[in-house]
Amino acid sequence: DVKVTQSSRYLVKRTGEKVFLECVQDMDHENMFWYRQDPGLGLRLIYFSYDVKMKEKGDIPEGYSVSREKKERFSLILESASTNQTSMYLCASSFTGLAYNSPLHFGNGTRLTVT
Amino acid sequence: SQQGEEDPQALSIQEGENATMNCSYKTSINNLQWYRQNSGRGLVHLILIRSNEREKHSGRLRVTLDTSKKSSSLLITASRAADTASYFCATDATGAQKLVFGQGTRLTINP
Repeated sequence: DVKVTQSSRYLVKRTGEKVFLECVQDMDHENMFWYRQDPGLGLRLIYFSYDVKMKEKGDIPEGYSVSREKKERFSLILESASTNQTSMYLCASSFTGLAYNSPLHFGNGTRLTVT
Repeated sequence: SQQGEEDPQALSIQEGENATMNCSYKTSINNLQWYRQNSGRGLVHLILIRSNEREKHSGRLRVTLDTSKKSSSLLITASRAADTASYFCATDATGAQKLVFGQGTRLTINP
């Protein structure tokens, strides 16, 4: 079974801090994604990557950046955390090929609170 | 704007009954996927149905797709308490290399 591991289940950070959310997958998947999930807004795509060192903006990239130095690891960076970035962050990966043609495998999420 | 929208937003039924959730979308698609999310956890993939398929089964799950109406339904038969979760449909938009999720249906199975 594919395992997608997010480094923290819960995280509390202060406004203005730089925050790193880490995600690791163990199935050699090429595609990796970061979503945030908010009540009433569903899941929204922040960034995705279809190869090492490649990244594409999703629907809400503002205030975020990503890093993919190794195939198995995809990091989400909040350059200067703000209270409106308090959310559940979900990482996912999928097999090679077009991102929509294969199932996404999700981690258990990181609930980030920015105070 | 959201590509897929689920209906109803919330559904509460008795254990053993069937649960039906619907998903509507706006533009033509290559495939449609259904996911389940237990409270506070990540999403789990249930079924992928391609645009040239009309129906697909997996255990107690049955998914239909009507591309002329741009809609899909997920039927869970003989529901169990463990089926309590939120259910999401996800679609691509032709030419877009990403999945877009709806806001989900929150299903509660009462013992």
